[in-house]
Amino acid sequence: AQTVTQSQPEMSVQEAETVTLSCTYDTSESNYYLFWYKQPPSRQMILVIRQEAYKQQNATENRFSVNFQKAAKSFSLKISDSQLGDTAMYFCAFMIGNEKLTFGTGTRLTIIP
Amino acid sequence: EAGVVQSPRYKIIEKKQPVAFWCNPISGHNTLYWYLQNLGQGPELLIRYENEEAVDDSQLPKDRFSAERLKGVDSTLKIQPAELGDSAVYLCASSQQGAPGDTQYFGPGTRLTVL
Repeated sequence: AQTVTQSQPEMSVQEAETVTLSCTYDTSESNYYLFWYKQPPSRQMILVIRQEAYKQQNATENRFSVNFQKAAKSFSLKISDSQLGDTAMYFCAFMIGNEKLTFGTGTRLTIIP
Repeated sequence: EAGVVQSPRYKIIEKKQPVAFWCNPISGHNTLYWYLQNLGQGPELLIRYENEEAVDDSQLPKDRFSAERLKGVDSTLKIQPAELGDSAVYLCASSQQGAPGDTQYFGPGTRLTVL
């Protein structure tokens, strides 16, 4: 069975600073997909970034980037120039094929004005 | 483009009562998922549909939970009878073709409180 671990239950950072959220996973599969989702208090899960395991290049979406280390089974999210609107729960998730997403327990991120 | 629509947003019921949740996926999305999210946890899959076929319902507690997606579009998830431990957020998601790695788009969820 696949597992996803987020070891930081809560984090806070000053506005405009950079923050990195950690995620590790465990699988015996070689081809899979990794995601970071954001869940603000409104509850709607919003995709932040997506990474295909067979691609060595780290995904980037504007201020969001990942550090994907396949051998270490690590998938961290870096948020640059953090904004107040980045305050939310962040979930790391793993998927094989088109099956279910397996989520971690989340990191609550607070951006301090 | 409209997102995934869920209703109701909130539901409060007494234990042993039935309850139903409705989901309308993004237009053209063939794959539909129902997830359960307990407080402080990540979502966990209850059931996955490819069009009208339930292709993974291994995590659905079939003694009290049922789901349907009759025309391969919208879906209903039902609990009968509800128990105190069913209090949670029920999330619906959809993806376009069910291809490997397809992004899942989530609705706002239904928060269920069982008293």
